[in-house]
Amino acid sequence: DIQMTQSPSTLSASVGDRVTITCRASQTISVWLAWYQQKPGKAPKLLMYKTSTLEDGVPSRFSGSGSETEFTLTISSLQPDDFATYYCQQHNSSPFTFGQGTKLEIK
Amino acid sequence: EVRLVESGGGLVQPGGSLRLSCGGSGFIFSNYAMTWVRQAPGQGLEWISGISASDNSIFYADSVKGRFTISRDNSKNTLYLQMNSLRAEDTAVYYCAKGSYTNSFECQHWGQGTLVIVS
Repeated sequence: DIQMTQSPSTLSASVGDRVTITCRASQTISVWLAWYQQKPGKAPKLLMYKTSTLEDGVPSRFSGSGSETEFTLTISSLQPDDFATYYCQQHNSSPFTFGQGTKLEIK
Repeated sequence: EVRLVESGGGLVQPGGSLRLSCGGSGFIFSNYAMTWVRQAPGQGLEWISGISASDNSIFYADSVKGRFTISRDNSKNTLYLQMNSLRAEDTAVYYCAKGSYTNSFECQHWGQGTLVIVS
Protein backbone atom coordinates (compact mmCIF):
# COMPACT_ATOMS: atom_id res chain seq x y z
CA ASP A 1 0.00 0.00 0.00
CA ILE A 2 1.11 3.57 -0.65
CA GLN A 3 1.67 5.58 2.53
CA MET A 4 1.01 9.32 2.44
CA THR A 5 2.87 11.52 4.91
CA GLN A 6 1.98 15.16 5.42
CA SER A 7 4.10 17.80 7.07
CA PRO A 8 3.77 19.65 9.24
CA SER A 9 1.00 18.10 11.34
CA THR A 10 0.14 21.53 12.73
CA LEU A 11 0.88 24.92 11.24
CA SER A 12 0.35 28.27 12.96
CA ALA A 13 0.04 31.25 10.65
CA SER A 14 -1.52 34.68 10.36
CA VAL A 15 -3.97 36.19 7.91
CA GLY A 16 -2.05 37.29 4.85
CA ASP A 17 0.75 34.73 5.27
CA ARG A 18 1.88 32.44 2.48
CA VAL A 19 1.85 28.83 3.67
CA THR A 20 2.92 25.54 2.21
CA ILE A 21 1.91 22.02 3.20
CA THR A 22 3.90 19.04 1.95
CA CYS A 23 2.67 15.55 1.14
CA ARG A 24 5.05 12.69 0.42
CA ALA A 25 4.11 9.34 -1.09
CA SER A 26 5.98 6.15 -0.22
CA GLN A 27 6.14 5.30 -3.92
CA THR A 28 5.50 7.15 -7.13
CA ILE A 29 1.94 8.20 -7.83
CA SER A 30 2.72 10.24 -10.96
CA VAL A 31 0.44 13.31 -10.66
CA TRP A 32 -2.54 11.59 -9.04
CA LEU A 33 -2.76 13.64 -5.87
CA ALA A 34 -5.76 15.45 -4.45
CA TRP A 35 -6.10 17.99 -1.65
CA TYR A 36 -9.08 18.50 0.67
CA GLN A 37 -10.09 21.06 3.26
CA GLN A 38 -12.16 20.06 6.26
CA LYS A 39 -13.73 22.26 8.91
CA PRO A 40 -14.96 20.92 12.27
CA GLY A 41 -18.21 19.00 12.02
CA LYS A 42 -18.30 19.25 8.23
CA ALA A 43 -17.58 16.93 5.36
CA PRO A 44 -14.30 17.48 3.55
CA LYS A 45 -14.23 19.64 0.45
CA LEU A 46 -12.15 18.90 -2.62
CA LEU A 47 -9.72 21.72 -3.40
CA MET A 48 -7.79 20.23 -6.28
CA TYR A 49 -6.96 16.94 -7.98
CA LYS A 50 -4.34 15.63 -10.37
CA THR A 51 -1.82 17.68 -8.37
CA SER A 52 -2.81 21.11 -9.61
CA THR A 53 -6.28 21.08 -11.19
CA LEU A 54 -8.35 23.48 -9.13
CA GLU A 55 -11.90 22.37 -8.40
CA ASP A 56 -14.64 24.75 -9.56
CA GLY A 57 -15.23 27.58 -7.13
CA VAL A 58 -11.96 27.18 -5.23
CA PRO A 59 -10.13 30.50 -4.89
CA SER A 60 -7.02 30.99 -6.98
CA ARG A 61 -4.92 31.64 -3.86
CA PHE A 62 -4.79 27.84 -3.57
CA SER A 63 -2.27 26.11 -5.79
CA GLY A 64 -0.68 22.69 -6.02
CA SER A 65 2.54 21.35 -7.45
CA GLY A 66 4.75 18.28 -7.51
CA SER A 67 5.02 14.88 -9.10
CA GLU A 68 6.08 11.31 -8.39
CA THR A 69 6.48 11.29 -4.61
CA GLU A 70 6.58 14.90 -3.40
CA PHE A 71 3.74 17.39 -3.56
CA THR A 72 2.85 20.75 -2.08
CA LEU A 73 -0.28 22.75 -1.40
CA THR A 74 0.32 26.48 -1.23
CA ILE A 75 -2.03 29.18 -0.02
CA SER A 76 -0.65 32.46 -1.30
CA SER A 77 -2.33 34.81 1.18
CA LEU A 78 -4.21 33.25 4.07
CA GLN A 79 -7.78 34.36 4.61
CA PRO A 80 -9.81 33.84 7.80
CA ASP A 81 -11.88 31.16 6.05
CA ASP A 82 -8.77 29.08 5.33
CA PHE A 83 -8.13 27.98 8.90
CA ALA A 84 -9.03 24.30 8.76
CA THR A 85 -7.50 20.85 8.44
CA TYR A 86 -6.04 19.83 5.09
CA TYR A 87 -5.63 16.31 3.75
CA CYS A 88 -3.87 14.91 0.73
CA GLN A 89 -5.03 11.73 -1.00
CA GLN A 90 -3.36 9.68 -3.68
CA HIS A 91 -5.80 8.62 -6.40
CA ASN A 92 -3.31 6.58 -8.37
CA SER A 93 -3.91 3.08 -7.08
CA SER A 94 -5.96 1.21 -4.51
CA PRO A 95 -6.12 1.63 -1.59
CA PHE A 96 -6.52 5.33 -2.32
CA THR A 97 -4.92 6.47 0.91
CA PHE A 98 -5.12 9.81 2.68
CA GLY A 99 -2.41 11.64 4.53
CA GLN A 100 -2.83 12.11 8.28
CA GLY A 101 -3.84 15.74 7.96
CA THR A 102 -2.38 19.19 8.62
CA LYS A 103 -4.21 21.49 11.00
CA LEU A 104 -3.80 25.12 10.02
CA GLU A 105 -4.26 27.30 13.08
CA ILE A 106 -4.41 31.02 13.65
CA LYS A 107 -1.21 32.36 15.19
CA GLU B 1 -26.72 20.56 -7.78
CA VAL B 2 -24.97 17.34 -6.79
CA ARG B 3 -26.42 15.87 -3.61
CA LEU B 4 -25.37 12.78 -1.69
CA VAL B 5 -27.34 11.61 1.32
CA GLU B 6 -26.14 8.79 3.56
CA SER B 7 -28.41 6.78 5.82
CA GLY B 8 -28.37 3.61 7.86
CA GLY B 9 -25.95 4.53 10.61
CA GLY B 10 -26.62 3.85 14.26
CA LEU B 11 -25.60 1.90 17.33
CA VAL B 12 -24.67 -1.75 16.85
CA GLN B 13 -23.05 -4.35 19.08
CA PRO B 14 -19.63 -5.82 18.30
CA GLY B 15 -19.98 -8.65 15.82
CA GLY B 16 -23.16 -7.16 14.41
CA SER B 17 -24.05 -5.94 10.94
CA LEU B 18 -25.27 -2.73 9.40
CA ARG B 19 -26.01 -1.59 5.86
CA LEU B 20 -25.34 1.98 4.85
CA SER B 21 -26.99 3.60 1.86
CA CYS B 22 -26.07 6.70 -0.11
CA GLY B 23 -28.57 8.24 -2.47
CA GLY B 24 -27.28 10.44 -5.24
CA SER B 25 -29.08 13.20 -7.15
CA GLY B 26 -28.22 16.09 -9.43
CA PHE B 27 -25.92 14.00 -11.63
CA ILE B 28 -25.98 10.86 -13.78
CA PHE B 29 -25.21 8.38 -11.03
CA SER B 30 -24.27 5.54 -13.38
CA ASN B 31 -21.46 7.60 -14.92
CA TYR B 32 -19.30 8.02 -11.83
CA ALA B 33 -17.13 6.00 -9.50
CA MET B 34 -18.21 6.11 -5.88
CA THR B 35 -16.27 5.82 -2.65
CA TRP B 36 -16.77 5.27 1.07
CA VAL B 37 -14.51 7.16 3.47
CA ARG B 38 -14.72 7.07 7.25
CA GLN B 39 -13.49 9.27 10.06
CA ALA B 40 -13.18 8.00 13.61
CA PRO B 41 -13.88 10.54 16.35
CA GLY B 42 -11.10 13.13 16.46
CA GLN B 43 -9.11 11.30 13.80
CA GLY B 44 -8.22 11.74 10.15
CA LEU B 45 -9.85 10.45 7.00
CA GLU B 46 -9.61 6.77 6.10
CA TRP B 47 -10.44 5.58 2.59
CA ILE B 48 -12.20 2.23 2.92
CA SER B 49 -13.82 1.20 -0.37
CA GLY B 50 -14.50 2.26 -3.94
CA ILE B 51 -16.53 1.02 -6.90
CA SER B 52 -16.29 2.05 -10.52
CA ALA B 53 -19.25 3.40 -12.45
CA SER B 54 -20.20 0.04 -13.94
CA ASP B 55 -19.12 -1.85 -10.77
CA ASN B 56 -16.61 -3.97 -12.66
CA SER B 57 -13.83 -2.59 -10.44
CA ILE B 58 -14.18 -2.83 -6.67
CA PHE B 59 -11.54 -1.98 -4.11
CA TYR B 60 -11.18 -2.28 -0.33
CA ALA B 61 -8.79 -1.16 2.36
CA ASP B 62 -7.17 -4.02 4.24
CA SER B 63 -8.91 -2.87 7.42
CA VAL B 64 -12.33 -3.83 6.03
CA LYS B 65 -11.56 -6.47 3.40
CA GLY B 66 -13.59 -9.61 3.97
CA ARG B 67 -16.01 -7.84 6.33
CA PHE B 68 -17.44 -4.99 4.26
CA THR B 69 -19.04 -5.19 0.82
CA ILE B 70 -19.60 -2.22 -1.45
CA SER B 71 -22.27 -2.31 -4.12
CA ARG B 72 -24.39 0.02 -6.20
CA ASP B 73 -27.78 0.00 -7.85
CA ASN B 74 -27.58 2.43 -10.74
CA SER B 75 -31.32 2.07 -11.39
CA LYS B 76 -31.94 3.48 -7.91
CA ASN B 77 -29.04 5.96 -7.89
CA THR B 78 -27.89 4.36 -4.67
CA LEU B 79 -24.57 3.21 -3.24
CA TYR B 80 -24.40 0.66 -0.43
CA LEU B 81 -21.94 -0.53 2.17
CA GLN B 82 -22.76 -3.81 3.87
CA MET B 83 -20.78 -3.99 7.10
CA ASN B 84 -20.45 -7.33 8.89
CA SER B 85 -18.45 -8.50 11.90
CA LEU B 86 -18.30 -4.96 13.21
CA ARG B 87 -15.65 -4.01 15.73
CA ALA B 88 -15.25 -1.14 18.14
CA GLU B 89 -12.60 0.34 15.84
CA ASP B 90 -15.20 0.66 13.07
CA THR B 91 -16.86 3.44 15.07
CA ALA B 92 -16.75 6.49 12.80
CA VAL B 93 -18.65 8.89 10.63
CA TYR B 94 -19.04 7.24 7.24
CA TYR B 95 -19.07 9.46 4.17
CA CYS B 96 -19.94 8.53 0.63
CA ALA B 97 -18.29 10.48 -2.14
CA LYS B 98 -18.56 10.83 -5.88
CA GLY B 99 -15.57 10.68 -8.17
CA SER B 100 -15.02 12.97 -11.11
CA TYR B 101 -15.19 10.21 -13.74
CA THR B 102 -16.19 6.60 -14.33
CA ASN B 103 -13.06 5.11 -12.76
CA SER B 104 -11.66 8.01 -10.77
CA PHE B 105 -11.42 7.76 -7.01
CA GLU B 106 -10.70 11.26 -5.86
CA CYS B 107 -13.70 12.52 -3.89
CA GLN B 108 -15.23 15.40 -5.80
CA HIS B 109 -18.48 15.63 -3.86
CA TRP B 110 -19.28 14.36 -0.38
CA GLY B 111 -22.37 13.53 1.60
CA GLN B 112 -22.94 14.84 5.10
CA GLY B 113 -21.96 11.54 6.70
CA THR B 114 -23.71 8.98 8.89
CA LEU B 115 -22.45 7.97 12.32
CA VAL B 116 -21.82 4.33 13.16
CA ILE B 117 -21.16 3.42 16.78
CA VAL B 118 -20.04 -0.09 17.61
CA SER B 119 -20.47 -0.69 21.32
